[in-house]
Amino acid sequence: QQQVKQSPQSLIVQKGGISIINCAYENTAFDYFPWYQQFPGKGPALLIAIRPDVSEKKEGRFTISFNKSAKQFSLHIMDSQPGDSATYFCAATRTGGGYQKVTFGIGTKLQVIP
Amino acid sequence: EAGVVQSPRYKIIEKKQPVAFWCNPISGHNTLYWYRQNLGQGPELLIRYENEEAVDDSQLPKDRFSAERLKGVDSTLKIQPAELGDSAVYLCASSLVGKSSYNEQFFGPGTRLTVL
Repeated sequence: QQQVKQSPQSLIVQKGGISIINCAYENTAFDYFPWYQQFPGKGPALLIAIRPDVSEKKEGRFTISFNKSAKQFSLHIMDSQPGDSATYFCAATRTGGGYQKVTFGIGTKLQVIP
Repeated sequence: EAGVVQSPRYKIIEKKQPVAFWCNPISGHNTLYWYRQNLGQGPELLIRYENEEAVDDSQLPKDRFSAERLKGVDSTLKIQPAELGDSAVYLCASSLVGKSSYNEQFFGPGTRLTVL
């Protein structure tokens, strides 16, 4: 059973456009929601993250919108650039014993075309 | 600061053969993770170490997979014997688990395993 559902699986956006990736979760015990970016041949790297008591977080061109009641969150990439082409994973973490167990979504392969 | 180092980067073996992956975490990181990433999927945790102790190995297929983290630093993940379904990227990550609100995991580049 997929605990974190992510869509779409692939996305093509023109340079300068807005890329939007959506995720949903069921487990209300999740307490932190990071997004990871993965380039081919590399491991995932933390991009941006949000706590469930915050509705929006913005870092540069990247914004997370979080809807706690709907158990949904999304990543918006403004002014998308070809260098943003990568696979993006949403994730949800559950804290216990000082440790966060991370559950990843299936990933979205983003291609930004010139 | 050097990142998480993994070797080899690629490995091709025939089924039923053994294979081992090595990971050197970021210096000072007390927690080490092994993940498996199947094609088109997100990483899935296999095992987590706190220092040299395996504290979460519930997802590790113990009939054929084994792992060790000697002296609480480097780690080795072994598969014996390998099956066709083991073809995946094996990622190692490390973090410094402490008092901060979120203990970011830093991933290595992974080892891509192909079992023929």
